[in-house]
Amino acid sequence: DAGVIQSPRHEVTEMGQEVTLRCKPISGHNSLFWYRQTMMRGLELLIYFNNNVPIDDSGMPEDRFSAKMPNASFSTLKIQPSEPRDSAVYFCASSLGGTYNSPLHFGNGTRLTVT
Amino acid sequence: AQRVTQPEKLLSVFKGAPVELKCNYSYSGSPELFWYVQYSRQRLQLLLRHISRESIKGFTADLNKGETSFHLKKPFAQEEDSAMYYCALSDYGNQFYFGTGTSLTVIP
Repeated sequence: DAGVIQSPRHEVTEMGQEVTLRCKPISGHNSLFWYRQTMMRGLELLIYFNNNVPIDDSGMPEDRFSAKMPNASFSTLKIQPSEPRDSAVYFCASSLGGTYNSPLHFGNGTRLTVT
Repeated sequence: AQRVTQPEKLLSVFKGAPVELKCNYSYSGSPELFWYVQYSRQRLQLLLRHISRESIKGFTADLNKGETSFHLKKPFAQEEDSAMYYCALSDYGNQFYFGTGTSLTVIP
């Protein structure tokens, strides 16, 4: 398996622009997570899905952030409009939910810079 | 409530010295615990899971239910061990609770 695949690896955009981050989970995994990592706040859970349904989005910072999972093999995290404080590394991760001792597998992340 | 605590934000040891990264948890059920490692500018990678009772890269971790701890240990630290280490607790793969991480620096 290729693991969790995220695109793009790097994104540089100007304040006010829309940003879309993409994620393909490991085939067969039914739980998908979006995290944000910064030096100041560390690793933060933004939202997670189980069987394509959003279960907990309490970590989404504000209405500018939205996430979708239209099918089991694809998810997007959108920021509109983007702001400089959104600059961070965004990780997508997947697991086999409902299975004891199933670990979380992370993608390589998207490094977002908003100028 | 499920919680994971890593009391040390930063830890420095000399090469060849033993290292222990602390992790304490609170969980009402049977815990599923993991250690993840993140090398500079890379993704988080699974290092150990408690149920496997294995040694990876010389690291071991033992679940102590009495002390609710899952400390990560290595008898002889190497320079390549310098990284960020996260302890995590899972709820049947449906939710994951991460500690705040410990940044380990191994001094040559």
